[in-house]
Amino acid sequence: AAGVIQSPRHLIKEKRETATLKCYPIPRHDTVYWYQQGPGQDPQFLISFYEKMQSDKGSIPDRFSAQQFSDYHSELNMSSLELGDSALYFCASSLITQETQYFGPGTRLLVL
Amino acid sequence: GENVEQHPSTLSVQEGDSAVIKCTYSDSASNYFPWYKQELGKGPQLIIDIRSNVGEKKDQRIAVTLNKTAKHFSLHITETQPEDSAVYFCAASTGRGGADGLTFGKGTHLIIQP
Repeated sequence: AAGVIQSPRHLIKEKRETATLKCYPIPRHDTVYWYQQGPGQDPQFLISFYEKMQSDKGSIPDRFSAQQFSDYHSELNMSSLELGDSALYFCASSLITQETQYFGPGTRLLVL
Repeated sequence: GENVEQHPSTLSVQEGDSAVIKCTYSDSASNYFPWYKQELGKGPQLIIDIRSNVGEKKDQRIAVTLNKTAKHFSLHITETQPEDSAVYFCAASTGRGGADGLTFGKGTHLIIQP
C-alpha cells in the first residue's frame, strides 16, 4: 500500500539559512500534520491542514510556516535556521473523517 | 493543554513473556488514544488505537485498555518476540475536528531478551 512520502530524506543547512520540506500524503487522504522529533525525544506536533486551511496549531516557531496545496501535498518552510532546529521532521496524513494518522519516513535536518 | 505521561521509560522482558506499558493523560476531553512503534531511523508506525467509547481492544498479540475515569490507558503485548524490540509511544488527542495534533508520551524503549 502507498505510504506518506517525504522529501528530501536528509538535509544539511547552515545557521540562518532556509529549508523547505515536502510531504505527499497517502492517496485520497485530505489532512496533513507536521511533527518535530529531537534526538531521544517524542514527536512534537507543529501544525495541521485540511482542505488547504490550517486546522490545528502546536508548538511551531514563528520562523516556520507551512501550507497545503490543492493536490493535498504540504510544504514546511523553515527560515533563519538555528542549531536547535536539527531534528527529524515527520509528516503524517489522514482522512478528515478519521483520527488515525499515518506517518511518513521523516526528513532528517542537520543545521551546522 | 494535554499532558501525557508514559511509564516505564525502559522495559526489558524475556522473549515469550508479556510486556505492559502504561500512560496517563490530563485532558478529560481527550477521546482518541493511539499507540505507535518506532524503530531506529524510521517513522512511527501505528500498531493499535482506541476511542473513548471502547474499554478494550485486541489485535492478535496486542491489546489496549482504557479507563476514562482514571484517565489511564495501557498497551499489552503477549508472547513477545525479538522483532517487538523498539520504542513505543502512546498518544492522545481530543479528536474534535478530525485534524487535531497528537500529544505523545515520552516513549518506552522495549528490549526483548532472547
